[in-house]
Amino acid sequence: LAKTTQPISMDSYEGQEVNITCSHNNIATNDYITWYQQFPSQGPRFIIQGYKTKVTNEVASLFIPADRKSSTLSLPRVSLSDTAVYYCLVWQLTFGSGTQLTVLP
Amino acid sequence: DGGITQSPKYLFRKEGQNVTLSCEQNLNHDAMYWYRQDPGQGLRLIYYSQIVNDFQKGDIAEGYSVSREKKESFPLTVTSAQKNPTAFYLCASSIRDPRTGAGELFFGEGSRLTVL
Repeated sequence: LAKTTQPISMDSYEGQEVNITCSHNNIATNDYITWYQQFPSQGPRFIIQGYKTKVTNEVASLFIPADRKSSTLSLPRVSLSDTAVYYCLVWQLTFGSGTQLTVLP
Repeated sequence: DGGITQSPKYLFRKEGQNVTLSCEQNLNHDAMYWYRQDPGQGLRLIYYSQIVNDFQKGDIAEGYSVSREKKESFPLTVTSAQKNPTAFYLCASSIRDPRTGAGELFFGEGSRLTVL
């Protein structure tokens, strides 16, 4: 199974852009890259999904280089409510340990 | 509204007892999943099902059992054989083939099981 590696934690200040990078060296040809957000004692929520290059939606952007061995989730102008754990998946079933993002005032 | 409903939200169990967690979805999704989450940890896959009457073991299936008699329902039984059952259990569903990763997972709100 594809395995992902993310930083364990990150801190940021309100209004800043946050970039979280995920490494997935063993990504398969057919794998999509998906990011989820989880608040304590809740189920994860879908943020964004991509296969290659760049994807943007109303809450985030996802950058995927040509070799697809990594991806970067970009959150523009974070707020305190963005404090959560962020997971990168390269196969539907396999979650890593996630990145705890803490947004400070 | 469409979604996934898990029940109960909180459950207490004595050692040696089996307990069944309910998961119902009205999203018309073919695939359903059960994950376990321990404090400060990521989600680990217990079982998943891509179609009615079929299911596959995930990474930590020992001590658990499931059934998929209806498309809408995917109950999880935590048996007495599960050594450390105290955890947060999450059910999810998706419209796409889980092997490709395309499509998104929709999660329920979770069931927190505590063994006394």
